Order: sequence, then C-alpha cells, then structure tokens
Amino acid sequence: NAGVTQTPKFRVLKTGQSMTLLCAQDMNHEYMYWYRQDPGMGLRLIHYSVGEGTTAKGEVPDGYNVSRLKKQNFLLGLESAAPSQTSVYFCASSYGRGENTEAFFGQGTRLTVV
Amino acid sequence: AQKITQTQPGMFVQEKEAVTLDCTYDTSDQSYGLFWYKQPSSGEMIFLIYQGSYDEQNATEGRYSLNFQKARKSANLVISASQLGDSAMYFCAMREAYTGGGNKLTFGTGTQLKVEL
Repeated sequence: NAGVTQTPKFRVLKTGQSMTLLCAQDMNHEYMYWYRQDPGMGLRLIHYSVGEGTTAKGEVPDGYNVSRLKKQNFLLGLESAAPSQTSVYFCASSYGRGENTEAFFGQGTRLTVV
Repeated sequence: AQKITQTQPGMFVQEKEAVTLDCTYDTSDQSYGLFWYKQPSSGEMIFLIYQGSYDEQNATEGRYSLNFQKARKSANLVISASQLGDSAMYFCAMREAYTGGGNKLTFGTGTQLKVEL
C-alpha cells in the first residue's frame, strides 16, 4: 500500500519561480489537506478539500493555490515563490465520516526558496 | 479559535523509564478529538493515539496512553518503558468538531524527546 505519496521530495526554487507539489492517495479518502511545517511552529493548515472539485482555505493560504480535479490527487501551487515559503510541506488525507478518523500523512516535501 | 499548547520543547528520559509529554488545549466546542503524532528524524508523521471528547476512558495503544483530564483541558501522552526508538518529535493535535470539514487538525509546537541509555 502506497498510502499518501508526495512529489517531489526536495526542491530548490529561485524567488519568483513557480512550481506545483503533487499529492496522491490510494485509500479512497474524501478529505485531503496541505500543511506546512516550520521550526517552532508545528504544522499549519494551508488549504484543504472535502471532495473532488472542492477546496477551502486553511490558516495560512496566502501565496498558494490548490486544485482537486480527481479524488485521489490534491495539487498545491506556488505561483511566485518567496523565501518565506521555504518550509517542509505535508499532504494528508482522511475519511470524511467518523470523529476518530486519523489523518494519514505523506513523507513531506522540503522546499527551499533562494 | 482552537489552540494547542505544548510547554516542553525538549525532554530527556532514561531507557525503560516512563515519560509524560504535556498537552493542553483550548476550545469552545463540545465535541472534539485529540491526537498524538510522532515525527522521527526521517520526517514522516506517524499516528499514535486518539481520544474523543466524549470518551469516558483514557485511550491506550500498546505502550502509549493518553491521560485525558477534560475539566483541566489536558491530554498528556504517557509512554511507558521508553525505548531508544522513541526518540523523536511528538505533536499533540486537536480536531475541530465535525462540521463536514473532516479532520482539520490544529497542531501544537511539539516536544522533542530523547531517550538515553
């Protein structure tokens, strides 16, 4: 079982460049999420999706866009990368029903913007 | 707004000893869930244990138990018989009441645990 797979694992961008992070899950989960992790700040929610074709803003959405065209995929885009977006990005997915449904995380993407 | 507080940036414990990692939370929701995740140096997030706000008994999963004190709004993780492999960052997280947003988890800042021989 692959679970949640993120592509790429590492990336270095120059300021102003754009890129897309891909998240794929094979568990037929309804809900998917993008988090960023910064030292001393835990994980913060960027955007999330409760189903195919739907997305919503999380805690820190500025500078990011997302799309969920297929149920299994959740894309995170940076249109014009900034050094402040240097972080580790985690994708997660979960079932939509039940209160004790844990979130399953991908292995993370380490992004550096120079 | 929900908030999770982990006041211990770093903890040390001797191998085979028990250790408690603190977590307090703040919410006005009546229904909520509390999670603990482990993040080893390799970076992945590993689910450890879950406690629902209406669960009357403390959750247990093997060597992990959650000391849930609802009135004090605390959800401390207890690891018994610590092993070297328990050295990692530990995150406490809280799920918003289920309103169709699934598991919108709010995370604490984490506690770095180091198990020593």
